[in-house]
Amino acid sequence: AQSVAQPEDQVNVAEGNPLTVKCTYSVSGNPYLFWYVQYPNRGLQFLLKYITGDNLVKGSYGFEAEFNKSQTSFHLKKPSALVSDSALYFCAVRDRYMFSGGYNKLIFGAGTRLAVHP
Amino acid sequence: DGGITQSPKYLFRKEGQNVTLSCEQNLNHDAMYWYRQDPGQGLRLIYYSQIVNDFQKGDIAEGYSVSREKKESFPLTVTSAQKNPTAFYLCASSTRQGADIQYFGAGTRLSVL
Repeated sequence: AQSVAQPEDQVNVAEGNPLTVKCTYSVSGNPYLFWYVQYPNRGLQFLLKYITGDNLVKGSYGFEAEFNKSQTSFHLKKPSALVSDSALYFCAVRDRYMFSGGYNKLIFGAGTRLAVHP
Repeated sequence: DGGITQSPKYLFRKEGQNVTLSCEQNLNHDAMYWYRQDPGQGLRLIYYSQIVNDFQKGDIAEGYSVSREKKESFPLTVTSAQKNPTAFYLCASSTRQGADIQYFGAGTRLSVL
């Protein structure tokens, strides 16, 4: 079965320090991986995705994520955190070839709240 | 402006009442989705539609119904059979390509009076 784990409910980091939000996944085949961000009372905004190729993916707002196949991880990173980065972050996975009823389902993690302190 | 519009932003339901949440997109996407978000549980799929006049149950469809009569519109009805409807509801759309992004609306917060 497909699944996504975000092991930390909350991550606290000081402004200017590097940040990491962790994500591990489980799929039977090869994954498509996504990171989304959600600000209070808003929908999710796409940050970045991994399809194939270079394991380091760069996305919006200076975020990047590293795909590690052996560790089945896709951690989100940023070299220098901003207070405005404080939000809820979701990792999501889709199995490249797993179709159920003709639909290739996207599975979301439970989310990690990032708090960046001045 | 291209995007997904959900309305209303806030909605209150009385006991025994059906309520309908609106979702409209002008992205020309074939696929549309409804998710429910509860604190600490991430997003759970209620219904999805890959094409007009077709839709499928997701993981938590009980107590909900949908229609897809137009490509642009995918309304969700929360029926009286849904005993715990208080949640944040998100609509999304995408193309039908496996690697494609789902684009989300701003959400509707439903509460019970």
